[in-house]
Amino acid sequence: QVKLLQSGAALVKPGDSVKMSCKASGYTFTDHIIQWVKQSHGKSLEWIGYINSYSGTLYNEKFKSKATLTVDKSSSTAYMEFSRLTSEDSAIYYCARSRGYPYWYFDFWGPGTMVTVSS
Amino acid sequence: EIVLIQSPTTMAASPGERVTLTCLASSSVNFMYWYQQKSSASPKLLIHYTSILASGVPDRFSGSGSGTSYSLTIRSMEAEDAAVYYCLQLTSTPWTFGGGTTLELK
Repeated sequence: QVKLLQSGAALVKPGDSVKMSCKASGYTFTDHIIQWVKQSHGKSLEWIGYINSYSGTLYNEKFKSKATLTVDKSSSTAYMEFSRLTSEDSAIYYCARSRGYPYWYFDFWGPGTMVTVSS
Repeated sequence: EIVLIQSPTTMAASPGERVTLTCLASSSVNFMYWYQQKSSASPKLLIHYTSILASGVPDRFSGSGSGTSYSLTIRSMEAEDAAVYYCLQLTSTPWTFGGGTTLELK
């Protein structure tokens, strides 16, 4: 069955970077794209961007200088690095699957990676 | 950026009650997508292309709407439907979610 396995929770210091992973299984990785979504504590969802298996990306302008999306097609794993962290970046980060144009909706989500930024 | 406003913010419904949640968009969108999030879980796709139920979703859920006004209806509330519901627009980037409606069991 479809699985998106995300890396474990991270506690990082302000100003540091964090890199999280999303390993896909149970489907053909190259037929889908990986979306990334932020959920701050108790708040709604924000779309960060997406990456396809050929490293094509689209970012929400709000996160363009904050997030870097990469992919390793050989291991069916997508990565997101968040840089220059502040307390505002403390959140749960989800990866989710989409089929791509015109089926952009996120049909399956990973369990999320909780990032806490604290000195 | 298209802003989605969901209402009500919070509501409670009794078992068997009909529930309607709304999502208003600041500009016209082609379709609306609905997600359900239960506490400590990741969001789950309920409805795509405004009215198509995702696989495995009970048929007591339905979606409708067009332009700037969309709704999600639960025909008969069940205890397992207590959750937060989000709408999502994919018409123009940045793709945006509504603020969510918390649905509680009365």
